[in-house]
Amino acid sequence: QSALTQPASVSGSPGQSITISCTGTSSDVGGYNYVSWYQQHPGKAPKLMIYDVSKRPSGVSNRFSGSKSGNTASLTISGLQAEDEADYYCCSYAGSSTLVFGGGTKLTVL
Amino acid sequence: QLQLQESGPGLVKPSETLSLTCTVSGGSISSSSYYWGWIRQPPGKGLEWIGSIYYSGSTYYNPSLKSRVTISVDTSKNQFSLKLSSVTAADTAVYYCARHGLANWGSPYYMDVWGKGTTVTVSS
Repeated sequence: QSALTQPASVSGSPGQSITISCTGTSSDVGGYNYVSWYQQHPGKAPKLMIYDVSKRPSGVSNRFSGSKSGNTASLTISGLQAEDEADYYCCSYAGSSTLVFGGGTKLTVL
Repeated sequence: QLQLQESGPGLVKPSETLSLTCTVSGGSISSSSYYWGWIRQPPGKGLEWIGSIYYSGSTYYNPSLKSRVTISVDTSKNQFSLKLSSVTAADTAVYYCARHGLANWGSPYYMDVWGKGTTVTVSS
């Protein structure tokens, strides 16, 4: 069970859109529609932003969206705002009732 | 509003057992709709799922930690606990407890409510 692969960092200017990728295998991301995404600000607990690949929990801005193609899931943030600057983690069901996280991506809002 | 709070020693000696408890308030740990889990984050690093438990006691563990991890539940106290044995400096991390939503077949899946986390340092 290896960690999912995410870019170490991405950046964008306010108002722009960015996409964070999360690449796994057919045993995790590609095998199930059970990908979730988390936002983590420094010193804080993670916050669920997306589940079931593309569903948003109540209270999460519709600027956040998720998708999946093959073994790669993606998180897109549109209309970037300063408050979006944080670390983002993907997580996938990996079979046998186990979960695997990505290594995390640091988003910088320029 | 559901809240989770981790508690336990902040310093553990190498080779000893790390023990943490998560107290659930504002809701029942005996709900059939959720699993309860532990996740950790070493300093400056990413998140790692440790394992999860159902109110009935059914558990699932990260294969890489399975030999050292025990998660238990006390429904009378609305708490669940983590024990990690034979710790080393590599186990130094912020430890979070969280509530899991379920996959269609009932396995633990996304984490929608998190505790604030507790820092555990392994050092002599």
